Amino acid sequence: KNEVEQSPQNLTAQEGEFITINCSYSVGISALHWLQQHPGGGIVSLFMLSSGKKKHGRLIATINIQEKHSSLHITASHPRDSAVYICAVRLIIQGAQKLVFGQGTRLTINP
Amino acid sequence: NAGVTQTPKFQVLKTGQSMTLQCAQDMNHNSMYWYRQDPGMGLRLIYYSASEGTTDKGEVPNGYNVSRLNKREFSLRLESAAPSQTSVYFCASSGTSGRDYNEQFFGPGTRLTVL
Repeated sequence: KNEVEQSPQNLTAQEGEFITINCSYSVGISALHWLQQHPGGGIVSLFMLSSGKKKHGRLIATINIQEKHSSLHITASHPRDSAVYICAVRLIIQGAQKLVFGQGTRLTINP
Repeated sequence: NAGVTQTPKFQVLKTGQSMTLQCAQDMNHNSMYWYRQDPGMGLRLIYYSASEGTTDKGEVPNGYNVSRLNKREFSLRLESAAPSQTSVYFCASSGTSGRDYNEQFFGPGTRLTVL
């Protein structure tokens, strides 16, 4: 079983819809990251959070440490939001901080 | 600020050939990482360097070696390439203080095919 599970694996929606991507993890973490991978392959960090909620423009990320669950929401989705969204948890292993990644959610927003 | 740069962007090797993937960052970050990304799998850590002068194995280190040449540069070497090493390779860096603390910054990736 993967330490980080994302759902859904693929998501297709119409422009304007509210999008939710989920991430569950099975280990104790020091933080959780949401990343975006563009169709061209580049990866950018969207959020890093260890509790509560963060908002950046139309993107909102929440985390529930007790339930080991995080969600990424996109409001008023747009075709330019089409990308792969990756959840990663930060672990401390033998004193070093490492990221463990989910498989990603491929989001397609149709105009 | 170029951020994290990687060379080459694309490479095709024959089985048994060797090559070195180069990575550099200009953000004065202490930590640097090499990942591989394969279809249907998440990014997996190959090697990392928590600070200049140190390197450690990640999840999938077999068949690779690394060198932290200085604070800016972290290279990944394939001594004898195998088809199983066909993948997209990403270098990343993260800071250990200030605004970049524990944020990961990724390079553009190297698409490697081993025939």
